[in-house]
Amino acid sequence: DSGVTQTPKHLITATGQRVTLRCSPRSGDLSVYWYQQSLDQGLQFLIQYYNGEERAKGNILERFSAQQFPDLHSELNLSSLELGDSALYFCASSVAWGDSYEQYFGPGTRLTVT
Amino acid sequence: AQSVTQLGSHVSVSEGALVLLRCNYSSSVPPYLFWYVQYPNQGLQLLLKYTTGATLVKGINGFEAEFKKSETSFHLTKPSAHMSDAAEYFCADEKLTFGTGTRLTIIP
Repeated sequence: DSGVTQTPKHLITATGQRVTLRCSPRSGDLSVYWYQQSLDQGLQFLIQYYNGEERAKGNILERFSAQQFPDLHSELNLSSLELGDSALYFCASSVAWGDSYEQYFGPGTRLTVT
Repeated sequence: AQSVTQLGSHVSVSEGALVLLRCNYSSSVPPYLFWYVQYPNQGLQLLLKYTTGATLVKGINGFEAEFKKSETSFHLTKPSAHMSDAAEYFCADEKLTFGTGTRLTIIP
């Protein structure tokens, strides 16, 4: 158990809909990362927050957005969903945002868009 | 741009045999490098990391990796494979770039 929690575990929704994925980092971790893992694209970094501020952006679509709240939990919002958005979405956390800090991953949310 | 490349999307070894998973990086400056393992239906778990200093890095579960600047490599090894090592392994750099992963299968 990494100490990172993600809800829900599974999510099934239809194209065009909007969903929110939630992540609680390990106790004491200030940095949160979001990743998308799919068979065709592998593990892709989406976005990172540190203590409420956006720190780095990866391959995140404009239809996706995220935020980190004062209690440090984070939410990833996915809108106008397409079939291709079906994937595993992982949240990870680390103590800080420096290059050498390892990340602790949550169990993921499996999103299925039908 | 920095990146990491994993050679071999699938590797099969017999139980008790040497495990060698390959990772090469492209960077003009010494990078920070990580190996993560993903067991079925789970998130990624850190195996080991290279920051600076000793080039041979020891991780959990008997794995180790050697940073070779001359070869721009950071290959993961384990002397004797165990059935519980069956998983997918990812190499990553500090820019949050992950390799495409190598699925390790252990043959009984």
